[in-house]
Parts: sequence; structure tokens; C-alpha cells
Amino acid sequence: AQSVSQHNHHVILSEAASLELGCNYSYGGTVNLFWYVQYPGQHLQLLLKYFSGDPLVKGIKGFEAEFIKSKFSFNLRKPSVQWSDTAEYFCAVNAADTGRRALTFGSGTRLQVQP
Amino acid sequence: KAGVTQTPRYLIKTRGQQVTLSCSPISGHRSVSWYQQTPGQGLQFLFEYFSETQRNKGNFPGRFSGRQFSNSRSEMNVSTLELGDSALYLCASSSAGGSRETQYFGPGTRLLVL
Repeated sequence: AQSVSQHNHHVILSEAASLELGCNYSYGGTVNLFWYVQYPGQHLQLLLKYFSGDPLVKGIKGFEAEFIKSKFSFNLRKPSVQWSDTAEYFCAVNAADTGRRALTFGSGTRLQVQP
Repeated sequence: KAGVTQTPRYLIKTRGQQVTLSCSPISGHRSVSWYQQTPGQGLQFLFEYFSETQRNKGNFPGRFSGRQFSNSRSEMNVSTLELGDSALYLCASSSAGGSRETQYFGPGTRLLVL
């Protein structure tokens, strides 16, 4: 079974600061990787996803993530955050080698951006 | 295109009762998954349906069950409710159910068990 760790539970940044949220997973096979975001009062929505190929993937709203296979990591980055990025961010994986789509989520990181 | 809809949005039940939650996927989507979100356990996978068949089930007791209808709408049922079942129950749909597909989440049903 897979597991996902997000080590930063609560991050507070000022606008224009750079963001990096850590995500590490544990699984012996091939994974698909996802970052979801939950803005206050809104649904979970997909930021970006990685299946294969270029390990640097770009998503919506200027977010990007890098898959480092040797470190079992998929960290989320944004060069300059805005107040509107205040939200909870979830890293998730599923087992690509089994074809099962059930997502295993990390515990989430609450990002607070101060104006 | 309308998003995933879930009804009801809020529900209060007492211990021992049963509850049924409903999910309507995005039009054309045939795969529906259910997740439970709690402050303590986070987001946990409950089960997945595709073309009316349960394809995968998470590590939850048998009190949790679900089904999918021919129009892809899905229901989940929790019997003999316990206080620990208080949670936000999320439904997600995708078009064909492949592991690479984006799952689109609904707003959830918030269940409070007293």
C-alpha cells in the first residue's frame, strides 16, 4: 500500500514570497502523482499531475512540481505567492502499476498568505 | 458542464441510525469514487464504482456500502452510525476510471452524528 507524507502542516508567507511544499511518498512500484488544492469554502480541485516523462510539471495558477524518483518526492513550488493562494494543499498518489485509481492523500498543508 | 453534485449538503443523525448520501457525477462520467475527510484521519478512500460495479474498496467496515446506477449516479450508505462517522464525505467522478485520469470532486456532504 502507498503512503504520503506532507511535513509542513501550516505555512505562513507574505505575498511575493516563494513557496515550496514538501511531499514524499512510499510505494515500491510506479505511481501517478497529484497535487490538489482546497480554497476556503470550495471543492477540492486539481493543481497538477505527473504520470511520466519530464519530471517538472506545470499546473494552473503558476504552480509547478518536480518529481524526484530517487527521493520519492513530488514537491510543489510557486515563485511568488499571492493572497489568493491561501488554501489547503494536498499531495496524492495512486498506483500506476495496478491501474487502481484510488488516491492516497497526504495530511495536507494549510498555506496562509499575508498581504 | 455542471460539476459533481452531492445531496444533501448537511446532515445530522444520531448514533445507531443509518444514512444514505447521493452523488451525481459530471455528465458523461462513468466512474465514481467516495472519500471520507476527517480532521484526524484526513482524506481516506472508501470505494470506487465503474459501470455499476464496485472496482475497489478501502479499509472501512462493512457498515459502509455503496452502489452505482445505470445513469452513473451513486449512493453510499452507512448503517448503525457511530460518533466517529462524523465527517465530510466527498464524491469524485472521472470519465473512464483510468488511474491517470483527473478525479473531479464534489462539494461534499457534511455528516454530524450525535
